[in-house]
Amino acid sequence: AQSVSQHNHHVILSEAASLELGCNYSYGGTVNLFWYVQYPGQHLQLLLKYFSGDPLVKGIKGFEAEFIKSKFSFNLRKPSVQWSDTAEYFCAVLLDTDKLIFGTGTRLQVFP
Amino acid sequence: DTGVSQDPRHKITKRGQNVTFRCDPISEHNRLYWYRQTLGQGPEFLTYFQNEAQLEKSRLLSDRFSAERPKGSFSTLEIQRTEQGDSAMYLCASSPKTSIDVNEQFFGPGTRLTVL
Repeated sequence: AQSVSQHNHHVILSEAASLELGCNYSYGGTVNLFWYVQYPGQHLQLLLKYFSGDPLVKGIKGFEAEFIKSKFSFNLRKPSVQWSDTAEYFCAVLLDTDKLIFGTGTRLQVFP
Repeated sequence: DTGVSQDPRHKITKRGQNVTFRCDPISEHNRLYWYRQTLGQGPEFLTYFQNEAQLEKSRLLSDRFSAERPKGSFSTLEIQRTEQGDSAMYLCASSPKTSIDVNEQFFGPGTRLTVL
């Protein structure tokens, strides 16, 4: 069955630290990949997406992600986090049937 | 605000009661999705519509659940004879199927259901 794994359940960082959140998927077909973010008290928002082309994609607020097909991975990175990045981050894969399969999420806490 | 809206935002009910949630998608979006999110988990797909047609239902959607989108605009999700295990956040999303941006889904704020 198709699945998405996020290995980091809870990450705690100080401001200015670098961030990398892991995401691996299990799906043999063409993949469209997403990172969504949910800030405290807010709804899910798209952070970035990969459909095709350059495997390094840039999103909002300085985030980027790299699609590595051979590793079935789509890790999220940010060189220097801010307190306002405190949120829950979800990786998701879009199947051919147009439904999103989400990972379990990673809770990021950034301390000043 | 032209985003996806959901009503109510919170619902507390007693076990055995029926509940109905409403979702209003972004107006030009013809695809509408329902997901369920429980504590510590990511959203799980329940069902989706292309205009008024329900195209897929997850096995998570038992016979007690029914969703409609009668005029291809807003949608309702009804849960009959609620059980405590139904307690969750119910999320609605919409997308413009015809967009060249492949099916990015826009999410609403969700309806949090608590079954006592």
